[in-house]
Amino acid sequence: ETGVTQTPRHLVMGMTNKKSLKCEQHLGHNAMYWYKQSAKKPLELMFVYSLEERVENNSVPSRFSPECPNSSHLFLHLHTLQPEDSALYLCASSQDVHSKTADTQYFGPGTRLTVL
Amino acid sequence: GNSVTQMEGPVTLSEEAFLTINCTYTATGYPSLFWYVQYPGEGLQLLLKATKADDKGSNKGFEATYRKETTSFHLEKGSVQVSDSAVYFCALRASGSARQLTFGSGTQLTVLP
Repeated sequence: ETGVTQTPRHLVMGMTNKKSLKCEQHLGHNAMYWYKQSAKKPLELMFVYSLEERVENNSVPSRFSPECPNSSHLFLHLHTLQPEDSALYLCASSQDVHSKTADTQYFGPGTRLTVL
Repeated sequence: GNSVTQMEGPVTLSEEAFLTINCTYTATGYPSLFWYVQYPGEGLQLLLKATKADDKGSNKGFEATYRKETTSFHLEKGSVQVSDSAVYFCALRASGSARQLTFGSGTQLTVLP
């Protein structure tokens, strides 16, 4: 399989549930990202990992907890979410977070999350 | 701070019509500029990019030229197809910022047969 994959594609959860989103990249990249895409709003960067180390956290609530066990995998652990957290969660990867030229991010298909 | 402003949609065109989606930006230095496309039910795909002034990015018949004097990166296609129906996002990556992509709000394009 090539590119960036995400599972599940769709997820419905209650506010008291705990679930995890998974992202896997098959591009040999060193950096991975989580974005949130809400209706009628620009994409919001949530987290950035470079070589499995979190390098950026854009003031995301603690009910979202990322994990990057290796450079190919990225998880987003969810607990006690709110209905307003319903959105499309997109994962992306890029070759080298510090490179000025290798700056293209490649996106996965996203997980459509609905919080009831 | 950095920002991207796109023309608001939705945009509806007939097949073979000419397309322009305006994008202007605010950033310090020399950002890289991108157009991403999102087809229904899918994630974002890189459509084209330009990394310096006067560069022209092109792909699948789409073109955009990096205009520093007007801080613009307008997307154009001479003859759209029904299969071009999607949401188009303009984005920038500021110079010196290795990680942060700043996106516009997206423009929904519908092409009618």
